[in-house]
Amino acid sequence: AQSVTQLGSHVSVSEGALVLLRCNYSSSVPPYLFWYVQYPNQGLQLLLKYTTGATLVKGINGFEAEFKKSETSFHLTKPSAHMSDAAEYFCAVSDQDRDDKIIFGKGTRLHILP
Amino acid sequence: NAGVTQTPKFRVLKTGQSMTLLCAQDMNHEYMYWYRQDPGMGLRLIHYSVGEGTTAKGEVPDGYNVSRLKKQNFLLGLESAAPSQTSVYFCASSRAGEGNQPQHFGDGTRLSIL
Repeated sequence: AQSVTQLGSHVSVSEGALVLLRCNYSSSVPPYLFWYVQYPNQGLQLLLKYTTGATLVKGINGFEAEFKKSETSFHLTKPSAHMSDAAEYFCAVSDQDRDDKIIFGKGTRLHILP
Repeated sequence: NAGVTQTPKFRVLKTGQSMTLLCAQDMNHEYMYWYRQDPGMGLRLIHYSVGEGTTAKGEVPDGYNVSRLKKQNFLLGLESAAPSQTSVYFCASSRAGEGNQPQHFGDGTRLSIL
């Protein structure tokens, strides 16, 4: 069965610094991968997704993620953090046994330091 | 378009009371989901539906029932509320696909059981 591990439940970076949020997955077949963002008192919003093709995926708000099959990773990055990036971020993988479910990681809360 | 709308947004119940949470989507999506979100536990799937008139159990179905009488609506019921059901509940919907379709979320219902 597929699973997702997000390293670090809390990550703090200074404004203007690189953002790196780590996500590793387990899957016996090529996965579909997603990153979602959740701002306070809101639902989850899709940041980006990888299905097939180019392994570097660009999303909204300057975020991007790279699918690395050899490392079973899909880390999320942004070159320069902004105060508005403070939120909780969820990595997710599609359940290859069924096409109707997505498996979410437990989330990483990103704190931006002024 | 409104997307996914959840009502109510907040509710306080006493132990043993019953209530129904309503989710409505206007995107003509086939799949709909109910999750609960608790601190440190990420999103946990309660029940889901792959079409009108069909429902299935997720990871934590006990104490909840669902119905999908119309394609656009997915109802979550608590027959006898317990304090352990205090949580934030999210509804989501997605198109049918090969696992590569993202889910669209509502803004949540914050439920407290006293």
